[in-house]
Amino acid sequence: ETGVTQTPRHLVMGMTNKKSLKCEQHLGHNAMYWYKQSAKKPLELMFVYNFKEQTENNSVPSRFSPECPNSSHLFLHLHTLQPEDSALYLCASSQEGAGGTDTQYFGPGTRLTVL
Amino acid sequence: AQSVTQPDIHITVSEGASLELRCNYSYGATPYLFWYVQSPGQGLQLLLKYFSGDTLVQGIKGFEAEFKRSQSSFNLRKPSVHWSDAAEYFCAVNPGGFKTIFGAGTRLFVKA
Repeated sequence: ETGVTQTPRHLVMGMTNKKSLKCEQHLGHNAMYWYKQSAKKPLELMFVYNFKEQTENNSVPSRFSPECPNSSHLFLHLHTLQPEDSALYLCASSQEGAGGTDTQYFGPGTRLTVL
Repeated sequence: AQSVTQPDIHITVSEGASLELRCNYSYGATPYLFWYVQSPGQGLQLLLKYFSGDTLVQGIKGFEAEFKRSQSSFNLRKPSVHWSDAAEYFCAVNPGGFKTIFGAGTRLFVKA
């Protein structure tokens, strides 16, 4: 498998559920990102990991909890979400080293619906 | 604060016609500039990027963009649009560091 993969592609959950989104990159990159894409709004950066260390947390509510066990895998753990959290969640990776200006490669996203 | 503005929410172009998508940014210095495309059900794909040097940048799929410092603009162009170009296009800037800022996107419709 090549590129950036995300599972599941679609997820419907209740507000009291706990679920996790998974991202895997097969590009040998060192940096991984979570973005939220809501209708008619710009892409919102949520978290960045570089060499497994979190470098950005863009004031994301604690009901979203990221985990990066290694440079190839990134998770987003979800619990007690709100309906306004329904969106497309995109994962990306880039080669990176000291900065974030390298090309980002995106996965196809997970479409999340919170009931 | 840095910002990216894409003034057109959507644009409709006839197949074979030329295309220009506008992008303006707000930042004190010249940031790194990007154009990405997103087809339905897909993630974003990089079309081209500008860091320095020649202000006319060539990208994939026949796209090009021109950086104009005086206008703080980075408009995307294509001389002849194909039906497969129908997608959403995002301009993005990175002033340095890990925080890339994306515009709200322009949806391109192509009519036969």
